[in-house]
Amino acid sequence: DIQMTQSPSSLSASVGDRVTITCRASQSISSYLNWYQQKPGKAPKLLIYAASSLQSGVPSRFSGSGSGTDFTLTISSLQPEDFATYFCQQNYNTPRTFGQGTKVEIK
Amino acid sequence: EVQLVESGGGLVKPGGSLRLSCAASGFTFSNAWMSWVRQAPGKGLEWVGRIKSKTDDGTTDYAAPVKGRFTISRDDSKNTLYLQMNSLKTEDTAVYYCTLAAAGKSLAFDIWGQGTMVTVSS
Repeated sequence: DIQMTQSPSSLSASVGDRVTITCRASQSISSYLNWYQQKPGKAPKLLIYAASSLQSGVPSRFSGSGSGTDFTLTISSLQPEDFATYFCQQNYNTPRTFGQGTKVEIK
Repeated sequence: EVQLVESGGGLVKPGGSLRLSCAASGFTFSNAWMSWVRQAPGKGLEWVGRIKSKTDDGTTDYAAPVKGRFTISRDDSKNTLYLQMNSLKTEDTAVYYCTLAAAGKSLAFDIWGQGTMVTVSS
């Protein structure tokens, strides 16, 4: 199984900050990497697919990059509604696997 | 509007069975690859398994922890996805989500249901 490792597990940031979350795959997954945002009590929401494609309706302050084993989710200017937990997920093969999540908290 | 609505969750004893349903609307369900994803209380996301569309052979794949105990099926005439869970264990306690894997988005989990809670406890 492909293991996905996110870092950091949590971070504190202020509104307006630039935030970067990384995700590393245990083997190359090309660009088969997706990012999700989850708020408490809610279902996850797709933000980025295929490593760098922005899901329709998602603000342009979110961006994704990377290929192979190393990937990044960047929020260019953190907004109050962005405080949530973020998960990466590979769909290179089955079983699909997720990172452990990164909780973004208010500083 | 594209929508997925899960039902069938509840409290069940260890060793028991439960069947979850996911009613789909707003898209051509018969063409869709569907997955179940679960989330234990306070934990991360775990893929449970998926079923391909019948035109893509309709096969299923499962995560190791549920293989042999859980079965995913679909009824395209009812636009409904199912998850039959047998021999339930306490570690199966979680919110279960059904998801649509978008063919045009590299099979990312594009649409999620609201989730249904399954509690396995004596």
